[in-house]
Amino acid sequence: DAKTTQPTSMDCAEGRAANLPCNHSTISGNEYVYWYRQIHSQGPQYIIHGLKNNETNEMASLIITEDRKSSTLILPHATLRDTAVYYCIVRVANYGGSQGNLIFGKGTKLSVKP
Amino acid sequence: DAGVIQSPRHEVTEMGQEVTLRCKPISGHDYLFWYRQTMMRGLELLIYFNNNVPIDDSGMPEDRFSAKMPNASFSTLKIQPSEPRDSAVYFCASSLAPGQGAVGELFFGEGSRLTVL
Repeated sequence: DAKTTQPTSMDCAEGRAANLPCNHSTISGNEYVYWYRQIHSQGPQYIIHGLKNNETNEMASLIITEDRKSSTLILPHATLRDTAVYYCIVRVANYGGSQGNLIFGKGTKLSVKP
Repeated sequence: DAGVIQSPRHEVTEMGQEVTLRCKPISGHDYLFWYRQTMMRGLELLIYFNNNVPIDDSGMPEDRFSAKMPNASFSTLKIQPSEPRDSAVYFCASSLAPGQGAVGELFFGEGSRLTVL
């Protein structure tokens, strides 16, 4: 079972920031938070990941709370092309045994509207 | 880089037939994953390999499913015999091992959409 909880769907106006929350209250000390997204009919795409510090790349920012029990993915200026299902996943960084599993939950369906 | 390449993109077959899905991972990647996606169950991990060796196949639904990785540049997922409930999109993904500058992110192919009538 997925270890994360996300809202089923969200809307965002084009050009505005999209803030996607994720709860992972049972996260372990050696588990990272990963975000992927899946645009309709395509394979999932990696966005960003983090352990405990906030992270930023060319796609998004990741804000992780100090207790690490929740995080928020921020798309600073959402476009119509950002409409997708966004998955928040927690996992260890090493791949030994079954720890390599990347378990996808239901994700959040983000709809960016003009 | 061409990315992860899957074939066929679409397959329609009849119940009882053998189905073989193919995957070419990104060159140099150590890990290869097979996922299945349906509306009801979402994305499910079926099996993954490290350096061509199966590490975890606990997600393989039953004996009708088998996966092989004969070399670092090719993997197959076979269903024999196929059933209508196997209809899904099957994704292959590959990744480097975390560390040495890599974050271990998975790169997915475009998927193979299987319809079993």
